[in-house]
Amino acid sequence: QSVLTQPPSESGTPGQIITISCSGSSSNIGINTVNWYRQLPGTAPKLLIYSNTQRPSGVPDRFSGSKSGTSASLAISGLQSEDEADYYCAAWDDNLNGVLFGGGTRLTVL
Amino acid sequence: EVQLLESGGGLVEPGESLRLSCAASGITFNNYAITWVRQTPGKGLELVSGISGRGDNTYYAESVMGRFTISKDNSKNTVYLQMNSLRAEDTAVYFCAKDRWLGITGTFDYWGQGTLVTVSS
Repeated sequence: QSVLTQPPSESGTPGQIITISCSGSSSNIGINTVNWYRQLPGTAPKLLIYSNTQRPSGVPDRFSGSKSGTSASLAISGLQSEDEADYYCAAWDDNLNGVLFGGGTRLTVL
Repeated sequence: EVQLLESGGGLVEPGESLRLSCAASGITFNNYAITWVRQTPGKGLELVSGISGRGDNTYYAESVMGRFTISKDNSKNTVYLQMNSLRAEDTAVYFCAKDRWLGITGTFDYWGQGTLVTVSS
């Protein structure tokens, strides 16, 4: 079973920099690009980062993505209370021939 | 402004059928793939099905293959998901999501608000 592994939770204080990791394998992150989504309670996910590092129009540069080997990371700088949300990574998986989502990371701003 | 509006969710018994609709506006409909992504508390997000902008390529998750059929009506800018032989494990919120590209890549830059499908006796 192909999976993308994220920590279930992360926390930080306002102004801090936090990173959320996403671990995959050679059939997904290792050879395909990674996207990140943010989901606020009761709403649909929103695209935050695509193609590993690209921000869609309107996404602040506080959000950045990176990829190395079979892992990817989302960094959020200048943490704000409104960043409290669930964050998901996603990547195409060549074995599955479909998109894999990570299990999600709940970010709490203390 | 890009908008995706889902409809058709509801409560059905196991074995019954439902058809979900996703009406798109604010985009050149044939230029982008449209997909259905479902979310459950237990299994998270899952790409269920998708159709390319030209309609010449479709995707189905293994869990729904043979039971679900995706189609599009270019005259109505609408994508449909016909769901047959529904099972309890199909219970989820179903989101319509637009891909950033012509093909299905998993880069979903616009989402609908979601429609709840509940399969229960």
